[in-house]
Amino acid sequence: GEDVEQSLFLSVREGDSSVINCTYTDSSSTYLYWYKQEPGAGLQLLTYIFSNMDMKQDQRLTVLLNKKDKHLSLRIADTQTGDSAIYFCAENEAGGYNKLIFGAGTRLAVHP
Amino acid sequence: DGGITQSPKYLFRKEGQNVTLSCEQNLNHDAMYWYRQDPGQGLRLIYYSQIVNDFQKGDIAEGYSVSREKKESFPLTVTSAQKNPTAFYLCASSIPGEITDTQYFGPGTRLTVL
Repeated sequence: GEDVEQSLFLSVREGDSSVINCTYTDSSSTYLYWYKQEPGAGLQLLTYIFSNMDMKQDQRLTVLLNKKDKHLSLRIADTQTGDSAIYFCAENEAGGYNKLIFGAGTRLAVHP
Repeated sequence: DGGITQSPKYLFRKEGQNVTLSCEQNLNHDAMYWYRQDPGQGLRLIYYSQIVNDFQKGDIAEGYSVSREKKESFPLTVTSAQKNPTAFYLCASSIPGEITDTQYFGPGTRLTVL
């Protein structure tokens, strides 16, 4: 079945870049997403990328997609303490309705 | 402001009691979803509904029930048959057929069964 994998924890210094990685298995996914979850809150859509794109940039966020290796990454430039959160990668499952398959989430800790 | 609301934020219940979690949206979205989140795990789909008066089981529907009588409301009942109900529950909605298939999430309800 479909699976999305992420490393569970990342620690970076404030001002550095953060890179969160994700691998997925469903090569027929149309879109891949990055969501952010702050403590005790719901998920906030950060960005998404269409499967025929290699890269998407949105202010401090850069998404890279390697479709051959089924690898997705999220780069956050100039990481701030407000970026501390859990980041979820998700793919949409090919089929008749919008089913998202989520990774377990990467907890990003930003320290001074 | 448009959005998804879930209430209450925290809910405590005794073992063996049914409990209903509320989810309301004013985004005019046709599709709504319920997910369960456990520590260190991704979100798992409980139920989803693509249109009023219709809903389908997700991956972990056992011990849960839903209704979809109105477009804006999709309540989830956690029944006494659910063996491990303590979790964080998230509701989401989307526009079926929207090109990006983006799902928008509510703030969640943390259910603790004592």
